[in-house]
Amino acid sequence: AQSVTQPDIHITVSEGASLELRCNYSYGATPYLFWYVQSPGQGLQLLLKYFSGDTLVQGIKGFEAEFKRSQSSFNLRKPSVHWSDAAEYFCAITSSGGSYIPTFGRGTSLIVHP
Amino acid sequence: EAQVTQNPRYLITVTGKKLTVTCSQNMNHEYMSWYRQDPGLGLRQIYYSMNVEVTDKGDVPEGYKVSRKEKRNFPLILESPSPNQTSLYFCASSTKGQQETQYFGPGTRLLVL
Repeated sequence: AQSVTQPDIHITVSEGASLELRCNYSYGATPYLFWYVQSPGQGLQLLLKYFSGDTLVQGIKGFEAEFKRSQSSFNLRKPSVHWSDAAEYFCAITSSGGSYIPTFGRGTSLIVHP
Repeated sequence: EAQVTQNPRYLITVTGKKLTVTCSQNMNHEYMSWYRQDPGLGLRQIYYSMNVEVTDKGDVPEGYKVSRKEKRNFPLILESPSPNQTSLYFCASSTKGQQETQYFGPGTRLLVL
């Protein structure tokens, strides 16, 4: 069975600081990997995704993520955080083996201090 | 505007009173699904549908029903709601394929007393 772990429930950063949100997955083959963001009171919006090719993926709002097969990780990064980035971030996977059921991590809540 | 809509956005009900949460998408997507979001548990899939008249259980289907009579609509039915179904519910849609982006509705917050 596939699983996703986001080890950090909350992350607090100062505005302008760099950010890295961790995501580890468990799956036999290479999964399709996603990062979604949920702003307060909103639904989820895709930030970026990876399913093949270059392991460094660029997304919207200045975010990027790097797929590391050896570490089963897909960490999300941003070089300089803005106050508007405060939100809940979810890592998710679907399987290349045929399941349409995506697995989401429990989410990481990002708090941005001015 | 391409979107997924859900109604109602907020609902307070009592145990045992049947309710339906509607979901509609205008993107001609084949794949639709329902999730519930609970603190500390992330999103868990309730049911999904790969096309009209094709539905299947997700991870937490107990106490829920769905139907897919039209491509654009995917209502979630709670025939006898219980307090443990108090949650935030999201509908999502996508084109068919595991690598496709899911588009989420704004959510429905349900309180069952």
